Order: sequence, then structure tokens, then C-alpha cells
Amino acid sequence: DAGVIQSPRHEVTEMGQEVTLRCKPISGHDYLFWYRQTMMRGLELLIYFNNNVPIDDSGMPEDRFSAKMPNASFSTLKIQPSEPRDSAVYFCASSFNRGGTEAFFGQGTRLTVV
Amino acid sequence: GESVGLHLPTLSVQEGDNSIINCAYSNSASDYFIWYKQESGKGPQFIIDIRSNMDKRQGQRVTVLLNKTVKHLSLQIAATQPGDSAVYFCAEKVTGGSYIPTFGRGTSLIVHP
Repeated sequence: DAGVIQSPRHEVTEMGQEVTLRCKPISGHDYLFWYRQTMMRGLELLIYFNNNVPIDDSGMPEDRFSAKMPNASFSTLKIQPSEPRDSAVYFCASSFNRGGTEAFFGQGTRLTVV
Repeated sequence: GESVGLHLPTLSVQEGDNSIINCAYSNSASDYFIWYKQESGKGPQFIIDIRSNMDKRQGQRVTVLLNKTVKHLSLQIAATQPGDSAVYFCAEKVTGGSYIPTFGRGTSLIVHP
């Protein structure tokens, strides 16, 4: 398996624009997580899905953020409208929750909102 | 150790030295613990894990120690190499519950050649 695949790797956008980040989890994994990482706040959990269903989105900072998982092999994180304070590295991770296993992370998407 | 405030704790060592990175966890019910390594520009990667029925586990050049009495976890890296330079995170889990990897701020390890 190629691991968790995120796209794009880098995104630069203007304030007010819509941004969509994409993630393909590892096949067979039933949990998918979206994290945001900044120097100020570290690695923050935004939302996670179990079997494509959003379970906890309490970490989503505002209504401008939304996430979907239409099927087991694809998820999106959307920011609309984007703001400069959304600039961060966004990670997607997946795991197979049986017996306790680690989460596998993608390479991340570095978002810069100017 | 776990960070306080806005600054990432940093451990600087010389190449060849042993490194010890500490982590305090919060949930006394946690029974599964993981160490991750994050290199610059990459996502966190699994290093080693340990279950609560053990107090020590060894991997290749790494050893994790668990002290459940004081809810403390440590990662020991033997003969530290420049390639070990990274940010290290610990994560905890309660078996049977949803696995939500929750991370602290991490510790930055800098290895000087």
C-alpha cells in the first residue's frame, strides 16, 4: 500500500477563496482523522470519521471548516472562505482500530492563505 | 517532556550520546501508548508502542519505559544519530474505546555531529 495520500502538498490561496484538501486513507482502515499543525498550537485534532461517518467534529474551529467522507477511500476538508489564520499544515491519518494500532499519517498539505 | 507554554521543549545532544525524551500522560485508564517521530516536512511516523501490562519494550536503538504509577512515559534512543533529529510525540489510548490519537506539543531533538 502507498500509505495515506494527501493532495495537494502545497496550496497558496488568497483570503476569501475556497480551499479543498484531499485525502486517500490506507485501504481497509476504518478510522480517518484530520489534524492541523501550527507552531503556536501544535498538532490539533479537527475531526474524525469511523466507517465514513463523522464521529466527533468538536475540533473544527469554525463553520468555515467542513469535512466529508463520501466513501471509504476518500475524504475532503474544505475551508470556505479561507483566512490568513488558517495557514498551517493539515494532516490526514488513518488507522485500523482493532486491538490497538497506531495511526498512519500522510505527508500533509501546507496551506498558506495570503 | 511535555511542553508548557508556547515553546517546544528542545533536547540537544551530541552524536553518539544516548537521548531520553519524556512524556506525561493524563488518563489513568490509558493502556496503550505510542511514540511518533516527525521529521521536518513530513507527517508523524510510528516508532514504537507499549501496552500497560509491560513496563519496558525495546526496539532497534529505541527503548520505551512506562511508569503507570506516575503516568510517565519515556523514549530512550541509544547512540543518537543526526538522522534522529526530529520532533517526538507520545500518544495514549484506552483499549476498547475509539482510538483517537491525541498528541502533546512534542519534544524537539537536535543531534549535533
